[in-house]
Amino acid sequence: ETGVTQTPRHLVMGMTNKKSLKCEQHLGHNAMYWYKQSAKKPLELMFVYSLEERVENNSVPSRFSPECPNSSHLFLHLHTLQPEDSALYLCASSQARGLDSPLHFGNGTRLTVT
Amino acid sequence: TQLLEQSPQFLSIQEGENLTVYCNSSSVFSSLQWYRQEPGEGPVLLVTVVTGGEVKKLKRLTFQFGDARKDSSLHITAAQPGDTGLYLCAGAPRMNRDDKIIFGKGTRLHILP
Repeated sequence: ETGVTQTPRHLVMGMTNKKSLKCEQHLGHNAMYWYKQSAKKPLELMFVYSLEERVENNSVPSRFSPECPNSSHLFLHLHTLQPEDSALYLCASSQARGLDSPLHFGNGTRLTVT
Repeated sequence: TQLLEQSPQFLSIQEGENLTVYCNSSSVFSSLQWYRQEPGEGPVLLVTVVTGGEVKKLKRLTFQFGDARKDSSLHITAAQPGDTGLYLCAGAPRMNRDDKIIFGKGTRLHILP
């Protein structure tokens, strides 16, 4: 068990669908993150939450909508996605936001948009 | 653009051989982290190097931080099939006031039994 659990592991959705990705961390961490991992690109930071407050939004299209109801749970709501949004979406947590707190990743959700 | 360049992109070698992979940048970093990502899993932190010139060892893995804190290397001795995976370096350039961590594209390593 990684301490950070993501569901579902795989998701196939059409461009008109609405779906949500879920992340739960059991480590007592205060910061949570969404990353996008595409082939041949570096990991891209999408959103950061610290103590349930969104502190970073890296110019992510509005078709991606994060939600952090408490410090243990993080969601990524998806709607009207494009095929180029197909990727591995990784959730991570850290004790605090900053260089001294290593990231603990979940195993990701492999998303395919058809 | 602040980039972390990792080389080589791909490496396939026989079990028992030695190898070195590199992480280079034109920016100075306060620290660099190395992660390993196995197929179907998320990245897992291996080590953080903090001091220029620092060398850290993790069993058969040796990590070095460059004196100028712009680069790092990972040397694996007597590679094993279990070393197969994507090796990522990550860090926050010192000029980034927000401590935003950036990742390299990774080196995909395959150890042949």
